[in-house]
Amino acid sequence: KAGVTQTPRYLIKTRGQQVTLSCSPISGHRSVSWYQQTPGQGLQFLFEYFSETQRNKGNFPGRFSGRQFSNSRSEMNVSTLELGDSALYLCASSLRTGGANSPLHFGNGTRLTVT
Amino acid sequence: GQQVMQIPQYQHVQEGEDFTTYCNSSTTLSNIQWYKQRPGGHPVFLIQLVKSGEVKKQKRLTFQFGEAKKNSSLHITATQTTDVGTYFCAVSYGGSQGNLIFGKGTKLSVKP
Repeated sequence: KAGVTQTPRYLIKTRGQQVTLSCSPISGHRSVSWYQQTPGQGLQFLFEYFSETQRNKGNFPGRFSGRQFSNSRSEMNVSTLELGDSALYLCASSLRTGGANSPLHFGNGTRLTVT
Repeated sequence: GQQVMQIPQYQHVQEGEDFTTYCNSSTTLSNIQWYKQRPGGHPVFLIQLVKSGEVKKQKRLTFQFGEAKKNSSLHITATQTTDVGTYFCAVSYGGSQGNLIFGKGTKLSVKP
């Protein structure tokens, strides 16, 4: 079974630009969660989608948005990039939504650098 | 918002020594999961604890869930260099809408 696939692996953008990250979950997984990982803040929850609906949202500004398609693939968009958005963005899929007794399977992440 | 405290932040051990990381919450947890992230890698699920006082073992790893379901620990016996990485706890406070909240992790280094 193929794991969670994230593209691209690396991105370099300049301040003010926008970026779209993609995530393909494990086949059969309907939940996709996004996390931002930085050395200082650790793993911070961005949002979760389940069956094309946003189920949960973390404490991030509206510049961070996402969506999920009917095939469970998900995209995350960050507009008006700031230097502080530089981070590893991790996508995780699971069978069930949220923390409801369902382990998260992470992708390798997208390393975003904002200059 | 709800937070989970994980200690210590760093742990350096000699190969063969034991290692323990702790995860503490001020609020009762629904369940807790543990993940390991190798350097340059992504978090990998290790185990989930659901019941009060639960103890689970995976070879040299022992996981415990406190009686009050507010804390948990991961203990590694006789560490090996392959144990190097960051260990995260991830907690759920319950409800189908709840998301997992990760601790900041304990970074383990093992000196051969």
